[in-house]
Amino acid sequence: ILNVEQSPQSLHVQEGDSTNFTCSFPSSNFYALHWYRWETAKSPEALFVMTLNGDEKKKGRISATLNTKEGYSYLYIKGSQPEDSATYLCAFNDMRFGAGTRLTVKP
Amino acid sequence: KAGVTQTPRYLIKTRGQQVTLSCSPISGHRSVSWYQQTPGQGLQFLFEYFSETQRNKGNFPGRFSGRQFSNSRSEMNVSTLELGDSALYLCASSFDTYQGLAFFGQGTRLTVV
Repeated sequence: ILNVEQSPQSLHVQEGDSTNFTCSFPSSNFYALHWYRWETAKSPEALFVMTLNGDEKKKGRISATLNTKEGYSYLYIKGSQPEDSATYLCAFNDMRFGAGTRLTVKP
Repeated sequence: KAGVTQTPRYLIKTRGQQVTLSCSPISGHRSVSWYQQTPGQGLQFLFEYFSETQRNKGNFPGRFSGRQFSNSRSEMNVSTLELGDSALYLCASSFDTYQGLAFFGQGTRLTVV
């Protein structure tokens, strides 16, 4: 993988569902992996930065894991709420972003 | 603690003109990164400055340039504007991109007519 890739592109879930997205990145020359949440008409908001293989971070109902050897990170949202609706972006090293996963949570 | 400040917030320019955008990072942050966002596109990385030096550069033409001052404030310049340069330009500051969380400004909405 040469670039940062995120999947799926978009996701529609019902309120209360748990969900997860994937960020794939080059496994060589790794320094850091960032996750951001971007709501419409707002600026991206930092969620996590992870630097070590096996890192796990948690913020409320949102958590993330990191595997630098195979070049992927997962973001999990437990019990999705409508206010979780946003685009979730990951960024590799010098903040090169993936295209994002657009999450819509239906009440 | 003041956030990242971008000025101006909105700008309308004519094709062929040049424009300078400004980004004041959070106090103590040494890294400033610039991004372009156009409709349907994600955040496209322009460049990153760290302690007054351009540390990384994205795949944009030479019309896009930047600099960083000793107080970490950064400017981005676009010369010979084209219609396709119309976009939201965001900057993000961090203590060090490779280690810490980055914080985004509100962006500058540039419209080229």
